[in-house]
Amino acid sequence: QSALTQPPSASGSPGQSVTISCTGTSDDVGDYNDVSWYQQHPGKAPKLIIYAVNKRPSGVPDRLSGSKSGNTASLTVSGLQADDEADYYCSSYAGSNNRYVFGTGTKVTVL
Amino acid sequence: EVQLVESGGGLVQPGGSLRLSCAASGFSFEDYAMHWVRQAPGKGLEWVSRIDWDHVRKGYAVSVKGRFTISRDNAKNSLYLQMDSLGPEDTGVYYCAKDMDLRWTTAAWDSWGQGTLVTVS
Repeated sequence: QSALTQPPSASGSPGQSVTISCTGTSDDVGDYNDVSWYQQHPGKAPKLIIYAVNKRPSGVPDRLSGSKSGNTASLTVSGLQADDEADYYCSSYAGSNNRYVFGTGTKVTVL
Repeated sequence: EVQLVESGGGLVQPGGSLRLSCAASGFSFEDYAMHWVRQAPGKGLEWVSRIDWDHVRKGYAVSVKGRFTISRDNAKNSLYLQMDSLGPEDTGVYYCAKDMDLRWTTAAWDSWGQGTLVTVS
């Protein structure tokens, strides 16, 4: 059960877009559309921002979008704002033995 | 309003045990799967365990299987995590989280507690 792979960091200027990848295997991301993304500000609990690959919970702006291709899921944050500066984690159902797995996390910096 | 409040964290010696609790309110607790997620200091999130709404299915991360036991008491709207044989690698903030789907289990956890700190030293 290995963590999903995310880039350690990503950055962009206000108004720009950043895309974060989340690479797993055919045992998790590749085999299930049960991929979520979470945003975590320092000292705070994570917040669900994308579920089922590309669905947004109520209240999450459409500037945030998700997608998946093969074993890799992606999160795009468009129109970067100062409050988007946070850590982002993907998660996926991992199938065997009713397990789940998180990504390694990506720190997004708004320049 | 959904509220999840964890308790039971603290300082414990290696090899010791702790029992974490999560008190839930503001939703029909008995209808939702629940999860425990932890975060070591300065590190990323790690999924720890899940229990289905009906107690039937449980799952554990490889790192805790055989040492941790998840349970729930729907009459008390409470989730628990019994942690035995603790080691320094178990140090971190432990969050309980509510599954988004009614009577199903997914990777979408839409409500989280504030976390409780466990220190093994």
